[in-house]
Amino acid sequence: RKEVEQDPGPFNVPEGATVAFNCTYSNSASQSFFWYRQDCRKEPKLLMSVYSSGNEDGRFTAQLNRASQYISLLIRDSKLSDSATYLCVVNRPTSGTYKYIFGTGTRLKVLA
Amino acid sequence: GAVVSQHPSRVICKSGTSVKIECRSLDFQATTMFWYRQFPKQSLMLMATSNEGSKATYEQGVEKDKFLINHASLTLSTLTVTSAHPEDSSFYICSALGGYEQYFGPGTRLTVT
Repeated sequence: RKEVEQDPGPFNVPEGATVAFNCTYSNSASQSFFWYRQDCRKEPKLLMSVYSSGNEDGRFTAQLNRASQYISLLIRDSKLSDSATYLCVVNRPTSGTYKYIFGTGTRLKVLA
Repeated sequence: GAVVSQHPSRVICKSGTSVKIECRSLDFQATTMFWYRQFPKQSLMLMATSNEGSKATYEQGVEKDKFLINHASLTLSTLTVTSAHPEDSSFYICSALGGYEQYFGPGTRLTVT
């Protein structure tokens, strides 16, 4: 079992739809959580950090559930430009330092 | 936001030669930088963690003598792929740590012929 798991998708949704992705992590010592988006053949770009209280940035809402060890990303009013792969990233301590563990990504296609 | 540059963006080299890739944090200092490799349609694979002024920490299965990392300043880390082979062809991406958040460079597409 992977330490950070995501449904690879693809999620095909029409423009204007609301779509949600989940990501589960197995290490309870994980401390920081992030969502990145990656476009084809490009580098990942930070979408948002995820805080315990949940956070919202425009059409994007991220939630963290420590008890169940998952984070979620909700995208409202999907745009064609939202089509990308969404990477879940978890930061946990290891050997006196921290390690960032990437999920394999969830692919989203927003259709006209 | 934090900006990370990477150079070159694309390189084609012959088998057996060495290639150096630079990663720079332009508007912040980064004591820690990461080097990743990504093959087509696969996820990012962490190769090594680069710490300024100390030796890099390599992930299991990554040859430290083949992938030389130098992090001589707080804004620059370099990755040298030595004696490159066609199987080293990949997308190499660096990131710099700003606080707890990673900021990625635009990547270097390496093709070894």
